[in-house]
Order: sequence, then C-alpha cells, then structure tokens
Amino acid sequence: GENVEQHPSTLSVQEGDSAVIKCTYSDSASNYFPWYKQELGKGPQLIIDIRSNVGEKKDQRIAVTLNKTAKHFSLHITETQPEDSAVYFCAAKSGGSYIPTFGRGTSLIVHP
Amino acid sequence: NAGVTQTPKFRVLKTGQSMTLLCAQDMNHEYMYWYRQDPGMGLRLIHYSVGEGTTAKGEVPDGYNVSRLKKQNFLLGLESAAPSQTSVYFCASSRRRTSGDLYNEQFFGPGTRLTVL
Repeated sequence: GENVEQHPSTLSVQEGDSAVIKCTYSDSASNYFPWYKQELGKGPQLIIDIRSNVGEKKDQRIAVTLNKTAKHFSLHITETQPEDSAVYFCAAKSGGSYIPTFGRGTSLIVHP
Repeated sequence: NAGVTQTPKFRVLKTGQSMTLLCAQDMNHEYMYWYRQDPGMGLRLIHYSVGEGTTAKGEVPDGYNVSRLKKQNFLLGLESAAPSQTSVYFCASSRRRTSGDLYNEQFFGPGTRLTVL
C-alpha cells in the first residue's frame, strides 16, 4: 500500500519568514495530493491540492510543488503570519482508491 | 448547512465500558470515514463506508464497530473500551467518486476527545 513520509514534524519560524513542508510517497499510481490544515481544537480542512498533471499550483501565499519522478511534493507558505500556526497534513491518493494516505503531520509555529 | 457534526465532543469512560460516537453530515455525501488522531501518529483510518448499508475496515479497525443505516449518519462503537483507545476521533465525508471527478475533498468534523481510564 501507499506510504507517505512527512518532514519536519515541527517547524518554528518568525513572522514574515517562509515555511516549507516536504512529503514523499511510495506508490507511483498516486495522482492526487491534498494538503490539510488543522487549527487547534478543530478538524482538518483542505487548503490546497495538486494533481499529477501539473508541477506547481499557487493560491495567494501558499503553493505546492510536485516532482513525480522523485515522488515528492512540498507545501510552501510565504510571508508567514501567526494565524498560519497549525498542524499541516499532506496526503496522497490514486484515482482508483477511496482513501487518501496521510502523512504524520507538521506542527508549524509562527512567532510574532 | 452544518457540514459534519460529531456527538459528543468529550467523553471519559472506564475500561470495559461501551459507547457510540455519532457522526452526521448534511451535504448528501456518499462516502464517510472514521479516523483516530494520536500524537505523532497523524490520522489513522478506522473504518469507512462508501454508501448506506456498506462498511469496510481501515488501517486500525480492531476494537471498533461501525454502522451506516442512514446515508447521513455514521456510527462508531466501542464495545469494551481500553486505555489504548484514548484518542481524538474524527469523522469525515466526501462526495461519490465519478469518472469525471476522481479526487474528492474530505470534510472533517470537529472531533470527539475520548479518554479511557
């Protein structure tokens, strides 16, 4: 089955800095890669996703990149703000599966 | 439109007691899921359902049972709770996968924090 590794487990940055979270996956059939943000005391919420037919996708201060050859994808957050502090999960899924496989999460702390 | 709701929000059980966690969604989603979240372990799938009356095991199903009698509800049962089942439980739902839309966002509930003493 699919295995998703996520690093780092904790990331601490100063407000205004950039943050990068990296994930690798094992199943070459995976073609959908969502990222979820979980704020304290809440359930995860989708913030951005990327499909295997593109290498990069941007939405304001967040961007995702995908390298299918190397089987890794990354989340980039620029100009971080304290409200970006949360746990971020990457996931991978193939079109033939009902279930995404999640990474173990990254706790991002943005210091004012 | 409440999205995905979970009942209760918090619960403390003694070892051996039973309980049922209720998940409800009002988005007419076909698929529903139960996850548990433990520190450093991410989200692990317990059971899932792809339609009313159908359920399937996930990664960590032992000690849990589920039922999907109505499309909008997905129940998670613990017959004899153990301290290892202390966790935060999340329910999620998503639309049916179709040939034109294979990649469906999961919508998560707010979670139930369960402690088993």
